[in-house]
Amino acid sequence: EVQLLESGGALVQPGGSLRLSCAASGFTFSNYGMAWVRQAPGKGLEWVSTISGSGGNTHYADSVKGRFTISRDNSRNTLYLQMNSLRAEDTAVYSCARDVGAGDHFFDYWGQGTLVTVSS
Amino acid sequence: DFVMTQTPLSSPVTLGQPASISCRSSQSLVHSDGNTYLSWLQQRPGQPPRLLIYKISNRFSGVPDRFSGSGAGTDFTLKISRVEAEDVGVYYCMQATHFPRTFGQGTKVEIK
Repeated sequence: EVQLLESGGALVQPGGSLRLSCAASGFTFSNYGMAWVRQAPGKGLEWVSTISGSGGNTHYADSVKGRFTISRDNSRNTLYLQMNSLRAEDTAVYSCARDVGAGDHFFDYWGQGTLVTVSS
Repeated sequence: DFVMTQTPLSSPVTLGQPASISCRSSQSLVHSDGNTYLSWLQQRPGQPPRLLIYKISNRFSGVPDRFSGSGAGTDFTLKISRVEAEDVGVYYCMQATHFPRTFGQGTKVEIK
């Protein structure tokens, strides 16, 4: 069974940093791209970043480019999102999702999410 | 960016009746490989999103056959043939043909 479990969400002050993790199980992690998607309170879904299975290719939304870094450790089956220079508008539930890859492009499994609150 | 516009934003439906959601992209979603990476997601209250349909019309594993997807190019539709109580939630279309990946605003399906 595919499982994705996010952690690391917290209350942080504007300008601060946070690292989120997504522990994956139930599939061969290195064979799949992974993504982070966020959802501000009461709002819709916003794609944040995607990383390839090898970690060699990454993409970012303009709203986070230069501030957030996606990475992965395939030996630990874990995806990360390093968030720096956080702003109030980054407040959201952050979920990881599996990008089915292998020449296809859609998110087939999603985690429950972890809440990041940016406030003084 | 590829703007995804959903209509309606709210859809009150009687149990057992059909529902239909439209999703329009600002540009063609046909990938250079010939596929169209348009998917539909369901988000029940308090739950993470769940994949329903991928590549326009393919039902994901475990998705009831009352859900169907259709369309091409820039215009796509999700249909629920007979709405059940468990279908209440917000439905999103999403394109993964181009970066940045983009979602529609969401359509709230509720029971009348």
